[in-house]
Amino acid sequence: AQSVTQLDSQVPVFEEAPVELRCNYSSSVSVYLFWYVQYPNQGLQLLLKYLSGSTLVKGINGFEAEFNKSQTSFHLRKPSVHISDTAEYFCAVIRLGGGADGLTFGKGTHLIIQP
Amino acid sequence: DVKVTQSSRYLVKRTGEKVFLECVQDMDHENMFWYRQDPGLGLRLIYFSYDVKMKEKGDIPEGYSVSREKKERFSLILESASTNQTSMYLCASSSIQGSTEAFFGQGTRLTVV
Repeated sequence: AQSVTQLDSQVPVFEEAPVELRCNYSSSVSVYLFWYVQYPNQGLQLLLKYLSGSTLVKGINGFEAEFNKSQTSFHLRKPSVHISDTAEYFCAVIRLGGGADGLTFGKGTHLIIQP
Repeated sequence: DVKVTQSSRYLVKRTGEKVFLECVQDMDHENMFWYRQDPGLGLRLIYFSYDVKMKEKGDIPEGYSVSREKKERFSLILESASTNQTSMYLCASSSIQGSTEAFFGQGTRLTVV
């Protein structure tokens, strides 16, 4: 089984400042990793994903994440946030070949952008 | 664009009612999922299906059942709604090919009174 820990339930940051949302996972097998974003009263939208290859992956809206296998982490970063980035962010994993099992999600991090 | 459509954005039901939440996807995906989202708990898997008429329990199946009579449609059923089932319900689908990225519907916010 897999598990995902998002270390911060809430992250306040000033507009145009950098931000890092932390995610650690646990799995006995290889996994794919994802970050999803949820804007208020909406479903989840994929930000980025790590499947293989380069450990630095770039996503939509200027976000990027780095896969660190030794630390079992997949932290999300953005160099300069905008007020429109206010949302809930979810880290998720799925084991290779485990598509039918569904994603395992963290509990989410609420990113609050202060003007 | 992949589209996952949930039949209702908001629902208010009475305790004891039978409730149907419908989900349709248009990408011919094999896998479909129902999640429940609650503040501080993230998304928890209720049921999933990897083929027509096939279903598997997720982490919190109690009080729920599902139906998948056609590949594109996956229904969540609350046999007798209770107030502790007040929540946001999210449907998702994915292909068995490639990265198995999940595509989500807009969610149904269910209130049981």
